[in-house]
This record gives sequence, structure tokens and C-alpha cells, in this order.
Amino acid sequence: EAGVTQSPTHLIKTRGQQATLRCSPISGHTSVYWYQQALGLGLQFLLWYDEGEERNRGNFPPRFSGRQFPNYSSELNVNALELEDSALYLCASSLLGTGAYNEQFFGPGTRLTVL
Amino acid sequence: GQQVMQIPQYQHVQEGEDFTTYCNSSTTLSNIQWYKQRPGGHPVFLIQLVKSGEVKKQKRLTFQFGEAKKNSSLHITATQTTDVGTYFCAPPDNYGQNFVFGPGTRLSVLP
Repeated sequence: EAGVTQSPTHLIKTRGQQATLRCSPISGHTSVYWYQQALGLGLQFLLWYDEGEERNRGNFPPRFSGRQFPNYSSELNVNALELEDSALYLCASSLLGTGAYNEQFFGPGTRLTVL
Repeated sequence: GQQVMQIPQYQHVQEGEDFTTYCNSSTTLSNIQWYKQRPGGHPVFLIQLVKSGEVKKQKRLTFQFGEAKKNSSLHITATQTTDVGTYFCAPPDNYGQNFVFGPGTRLSVLP
């Protein structure tokens, strides 16, 4: 069974640009979560999508947005990039959209660097 | 809002020594999960605890959920170099919709 995949592995942008990160969940998983992990720090919850809809978002500005497609893959968009957006962006998927009771399977992450 | 603390932040041990990390919440929890992230890797689910006072073991790892369901611990017996990484506890948020990851405990094991 294929795990969660993310692309690209690395992304380098300059301040003010836009970044698009992609995630494919494990087959059969309907929920996708996005997290930001700044270097050496913990995971900060960004967004939760389930069945194509945004179910919850963390304490991040509106320039962080995303969507989930009918095949349950997901895209995270970050507009007007700032230097402090440099981080590892992790995507996770889980089997059911019942919130905080399900094991999350993480992808390898996308390392975003903003210059 | 909910606050999750993990102590210690860092722990350096000699191979063969034991290790314990503690997770404390400001609110009563319905359940708690633990994840491990190896250096350069992504978090991997270890276990979920649900019942008050629950103790679960996975080989050298022992997980415990406090009687009041406000704290949890992970104990590793006789650490090995493969145990190196950051251990995160993850309780649900106040609405039970998502997990809130603690700041993590980074474990270093010296051979």
C-alpha cells in the first residue's frame, strides 16, 4: 500500500511569490491535514479537509489556503510569501473524518525556503 | 485555550539508559496519541491511549495515561541508537476535531 506522497520535495521561492504544495493521501483516506514545522520546532496545525470541504483551520493568516479534490488529494497554497514561511510542510491523511480519534499517516513533507 | 507541555525539551542519554518524557495538558483529555519523528523524517504514529490509567507496552516502550486524563508519559527501557528522534504527544483540541501536537522531546542516544 502506497503511503502519503507530497510534491515537490523542495521548493525555493522569493518573498512575495506564491507557493503551491501538493499531497496525495493513502488510498481510501478521506481526510487530509496540513501542518507547518519550522526548523527544530513542533508541528503547527494549518488546515483539515474532509470529503472536499475545509473542516477546520489553525491560527494562520488567510494567505494560507487550500483545497481538496474529488480524488481526495489536496493542495496547499501560500500567497505573498514571507521569510518566516520557510519551513517543512507536512501533509497527513486519516481513514475517517471523525476528528481527533484516528491515526494520522504523514507524508515526507515539502521543504519550502523563502529567500 | 488548551496548553500542552512536554518535558524535558531535550534529553541526552547513554545507550542502555532509560528515558522518560512527560506530556501535560491544562484540560482533561478524551484520548492522546504519541508520535515519533526521526531526524530528517516525518512523524510516525506510535500509539493511542483512551482509558484513564491505561498502560500500553510496545517492546521497550511503555505508554501511560494519567488517572485524571490530563497527563501521559512515554518510557523507554534500555535505549538504543535507533530510539533517537523527537517524541510528540498529541491530544485532541478543545473541540475534539484535531490533534494539538506538543512541542516534543528530542532524544539523543550516545553509543
